[in-house]
Amino acid sequence: DTGVSQDPRHKITKRGQNVTFRCDPISEHNRLYWYRQTLGQGPEFLTYFQNEAQLEKSRLLSDRFSAERPKGSFSTLEIQRTEQGDSAMYLCASSLGSGGQETQYFGPGTRLLVL
Amino acid sequence: QKEVEQNSGPLSVPEGAIASLNCTYSDRGSQSFFWYRQYSGKSPELIMFIYSNGDKEDGRFTAQLNKASQYVSLLIRDSQPSDSATYLCAVTGSGGSYIPTFGRGTSLIVHP
Repeated sequence: DTGVSQDPRHKITKRGQNVTFRCDPISEHNRLYWYRQTLGQGPEFLTYFQNEAQLEKSRLLSDRFSAERPKGSFSTLEIQRTEQGDSAMYLCASSLGSGGQETQYFGPGTRLLVL
Repeated sequence: QKEVEQNSGPLSVPEGAIASLNCTYSDRGSQSFFWYRQYSGKSPELIMFIYSNGDKEDGRFTAQLNKASQYVSLLIRDSQPSDSATYLCAVTGSGGSYIPTFGRGTSLIVHP
């Protein structure tokens, strides 16, 4: 399978707990993006990596959120001290950046429910 | 702030008809435009991208871009019930940014 994969697909947690999500991009893609999507809205950008460097973070990404891509391959998104407002679908996408005209391919997403 | 506007719908069309989905964007410097299809509970799936003014056709899908009017549309010919989904418009490229701004999507219902 050469698509983007995410794990877990579903996560239910209690408020205050920490959660970590993993994304494995398409193997030759150098850019990796994290988004959050709530019901009735389009995906909202959280952060992105080019290789192992985290180049941009949205102001949506509070101090409780952290993302890494240590070897420029897979990435993790951690949410500390989860709140009910964190309940959403967390999407990962990857792309092969070339000259600004690039296409992002999404993984299946991780659906988070904070009780 | 960059904005991408879509009518949330639902847009309801009969099977076999042409479905027309519209999207406007606020940033005149935008360069790349994408249409994604998203089934309920699933992740977005790329349908088409367009970079230049005019039409781009791929099978039953045609994307139309008018940069002067800051308008991009997606036409789906011979609509099928399996086309029923939410269609997301995404815009990127302004100021060299690769980060797309998504609209909230238009819900399309194709009824038999």
